[in-house]
Amino acid sequence: NAGVTQTPKFQVLKTGQSMTLQCAQDMNHNSMYWYRQDPGMGLRLIYYSASEGTTDKGEVPNGYNVSRLNKREFSLRLESAAPSQTSVYFCASLGDPLTDTQYFGPGTRLTVL
Amino acid sequence: AQTVTQSQPEMSVQEAETVTLSCTYDTSESNYYLFWYKQPPSRQMILVIRQEAYKQQNATENRFSVNFQKAAKSFSLKISDSQLGDTAMYFCALMDSNYQLIWGAGTKLIIKP
Repeated sequence: NAGVTQTPKFQVLKTGQSMTLQCAQDMNHNSMYWYRQDPGMGLRLIYYSASEGTTDKGEVPNGYNVSRLNKREFSLRLESAAPSQTSVYFCASLGDPLTDTQYFGPGTRLTVL
Repeated sequence: AQTVTQSQPEMSVQEAETVTLSCTYDTSESNYYLFWYKQPPSRQMILVIRQEAYKQQNATENRFSVNFQKAAKSFSLKISDSQLGDTAMYFCALMDSNYQLIWGAGTKLIIKP
C-alpha cells in the first residue's frame, strides 16, 4: 500500500517550458487535491477533484491545468512555466471526510529559471 | 472568507518540556473539522491530531492534545514531554463543508537537547 505517490521529486525548468506533475493514490479515495507551498506560508489549493470526472479551481489556479484521468490519478500541468511558479507541490487525497483526513504525497520541488 | 492564523512563527523549548502552539480561525460554518499537521525536514505532511467541531471533548493522541475553544475560535496544540523528533513545522488547518483545507502559515518548533 503506497498511499499517495508523486513524480518527479525534483524538476528544474526554463521559463516558458511545460511539464506535467503526476499523482496517484491506491486508497480508493474519491477526492484529490493539488497544493503549492511557498516559503513562510501554508499550503494553498490550486485545483481539486471531488470525484472522478470533476475538477474545480482552488485559491491559486492561474497558470495551471489539471486532469482527473481516473479514480487513481490526478495530474497537474504547467503549460508555460514562470519563475513565480517555483514552489513545492503537494498532491493529496481524501477518503471519508467524516472520519478521515487528507493524505499527502512526498512533494515535488520545482524550480523555474 | 475562512482564515486560519498561527501567531507564533517560531518557538524553541528544551527536550522534555511542554510546549503549546496557538491557532485561531474564522469560519461562518457550524460544522467543520480542525487539524494539526507536522512537517519535518523531509517535507512529508504528517497528521498529528484531528478535532470535529461538534465534539466538545478535546482530542488527544499520546503526547499530543488540543485545547478547542469553539466560542473563541481557538485550537491550540499541546505537546507534552517534548522529544528531539518533534522538531518540525507545525500547521493548523480547517476543513470546510467542501472538504477543502485552509491552512495557517505554520510555526517552526525547535526542540533543544
